[in-house]
Amino acid sequence: KQEVTQIPAALSVPEGENLVLNCSFTDSAIYNLQWFRQDPGKGLTSLLLIQSSQREQTSGRLNASLDKSSGRSTLYIAASQPGDSATYLCAVSNSGYALNFGKGTSLLVTP
Amino acid sequence: EAGVVQSPRYKIIEKKQPVAFWCNPISGHNTLYWYLQNLGQGPELLIRYENEEAVDDSQLPKDRFSAERLKGVDSTLKIQPAELGDSAVYLCASSLDPGSHEQYFGPGTRLTVT
Repeated sequence: KQEVTQIPAALSVPEGENLVLNCSFTDSAIYNLQWFRQDPGKGLTSLLLIQSSQREQTSGRLNASLDKSSGRSTLYIAASQPGDSATYLCAVSNSGYALNFGKGTSLLVTP
Repeated sequence: EAGVVQSPRYKIIEKKQPVAFWCNPISGHNTLYWYLQNLGQGPELLIRYENEEAVDDSQLPKDRFSAERLKGVDSTLKIQPAELGDSAVYLCASSLDPGSHEQYFGPGTRLTVT
């Protein structure tokens, strides 16, 4: 069974810092990997999706990388803002369908 | 384009009562998922539909949970009878692109069983 781990569980940084969130998975035979953002009491917002054949994806201040062989992905957030405060979830699909989620990293960006 | 719609957003019931959640996926999305999210955890898949067919219900506790997707559009997830441990957020997601399978989530229904 695919196990997804996210480190750290919580992170607090001052505004303006660049930061990295880590995700590791046990089964490298993945179809894709998706990063989500979840605000308190809300659903999940898709941030980036990386197909198994890709190494990275970028959207604005966000960059996600994928290293299938080592079972790792990182989400890089540049120039963090208080509005980035949320829980970030990493999810891996082996089949292209069901997502296996980590427990998330709770991010707080202080002004 | 409207996103995934779920209702109700919140529901409080007493144990042993029935409850139902409704989901309307993004227009044209033929794949629909129901996930369960416990506090402090990532979502876990309950069931996946391709059009009106439940193609993966291996994680659905069938003694008390049921789901349907009539006409391959809207879907309903039901619990009967509810137990205290069912308190959680129930998320619906949909996807279209058969290549990327990118999933789009609704706001969820937060269930509290007392």
